[in-house]
Amino acid sequence: ETGVTQSPTHLIKTRGQQVTLRCSSQSGHNTVSWYQQALGQGPQFIFQYYREEENGRGNFPPRFSGLQFPNYSSELNVNALELDDSALYLCASSLAGGGRAQYFGPGTRLTVL
Amino acid sequence: AQSVAQPEDQVNVAEGNPLTVKCTYSVSGNPYLFWYVQYPNRGLQFLLKYITGDNLVKGSYGFEAEFNKSQTSFHLKKPSALVSDSALYFCAVSQGGGGFKTIFGAGTRLFVKA
Repeated sequence: ETGVTQSPTHLIKTRGQQVTLRCSSQSGHNTVSWYQQALGQGPQFIFQYYREEENGRGNFPPRFSGLQFPNYSSELNVNALELDDSALYLCASSLAGGGRAQYFGPGTRLTVL
Repeated sequence: AQSVAQPEDQVNVAEGNPLTVKCTYSVSGNPYLFWYVQYPNRGLQFLLKYITGDNLVKGSYGFEAEFNKSQTSFHLKKPSALVSDSALYFCAVSQGGGGFKTIFGAGTRLFVKA
């Protein structure tokens, strides 16, 4: 059974640039959620994808967008990067439905200069 | 609105002693409650969850948690702490009935001294 993987591990961008982060879900999981974890804080929910459609969204602006592919892998895109976007971005996969445990990838560390 | 509070930034306990990491929550309707652990340089790992039923739920690595509806709490416990339990622990809540949004607490760092 393959766990959740994310790429790249680390990324450095400058303010105003765009970035794409990638996630491969755990085998058999059809739902992917993305979280932003700032230093010293808990993960903040960005959005969730199910069956290639956004299934819910947290308090993040539209410049945060995503995709889910037929194989359930996913991308997180962030446009017009700001310094405050510097954080660890976590992807989590699960089965659909409420009350499901989520299985997290190791994260992508994004630094915006 | 959903919210989770972990009132302690850090919990210190001696190896072999019982440990408790506290969590309180606020959610409309019935909650789904979770505990996750984050080890250094590793992703969050699922420990246990409460959906319905017995208020005491058991999870991985000997951890358990008690759901208390009247106190809106979901404290994480272990009868005998190990040094290897030292990590960052997160409580999380989502709304029952298929709610998609999971809210995490700020985390509590557990330090177990040998």
